[in-house]
Amino acid sequence: QVQLVESGGGVVQPGRSLRLSCAASGFIFSSYGIHWVRQPPGKGLEWVAVIWYDGSEKNYADAVRGRFTISRDNSKNTVYLEMNSLRAEDTAVYYCSKLYSNYDWYYFDNWGQGTLVTVSS
Amino acid sequence: QSALTQPASVSGSPGQSITISCTGTSSNIGTYNLVSWYRQHPGKAPQFLIYDVTKRPSGVSDRFSGSKSGNTASLTISGLQAEDEADYYCCSYSSTNTSVIFGAGTKVTVL
Repeated sequence: QVQLVESGGGVVQPGRSLRLSCAASGFIFSSYGIHWVRQPPGKGLEWVAVIWYDGSEKNYADAVRGRFTISRDNSKNTVYLEMNSLRAEDTAVYYCSKLYSNYDWYYFDNWGQGTLVTVSS
Repeated sequence: QSALTQPASVSGSPGQSITISCTGTSSNIGTYNLVSWYRQHPGKAPQFLIYDVTKRPSGVSDRFSGSKSGNTASLTISGLQAEDEADYYCCSYSSTNTSVIFGAGTKVTVL
């Protein structure tokens, strides 16, 4: 079955960088786009970024545009989220999620269990 | 502050039906039938329940149904069960910056 496993979270100081990974299995990875969605502790969900199945297009939420970069390596079935200039408000559990359909990039089908990023001095 | 407004909490007894509303604007729900719903149990990842306002992905119970009127979308859970106690989030495409936005979430309590 579809499995998504996030990794790379941890505690980081404000202004520093961190790279998250999302390893996928159980489906044809190169045929599906992937989202990152985050959830601050005790709060709601916030969409972060999406990358198309072939990496040809990417889109970002205003809150992270210019600081975060999404990428993928289809040979490794992995999507990455490079996070720079981190702020306290970036503290959250970060989930990756498979697109339900490449025709409708706004739906989140399967989700990973998330990785916690804490930005604190 | 979320762009989509949901009630903080809704409750019901087992077997009853409840409805969760999600109000947006003409930049999202009012113009586009691109509304989805997700259920999240404490400490777990969200689960995909509804897309295109009314459609259910394969494997989702028909106790879950969606609808829309104007700028407001709704999720109805019929035959309420203990396992339905969770947080529920609406989501919509938004033409503002070509993005996806979530509601703040509604906590459903089964009495």
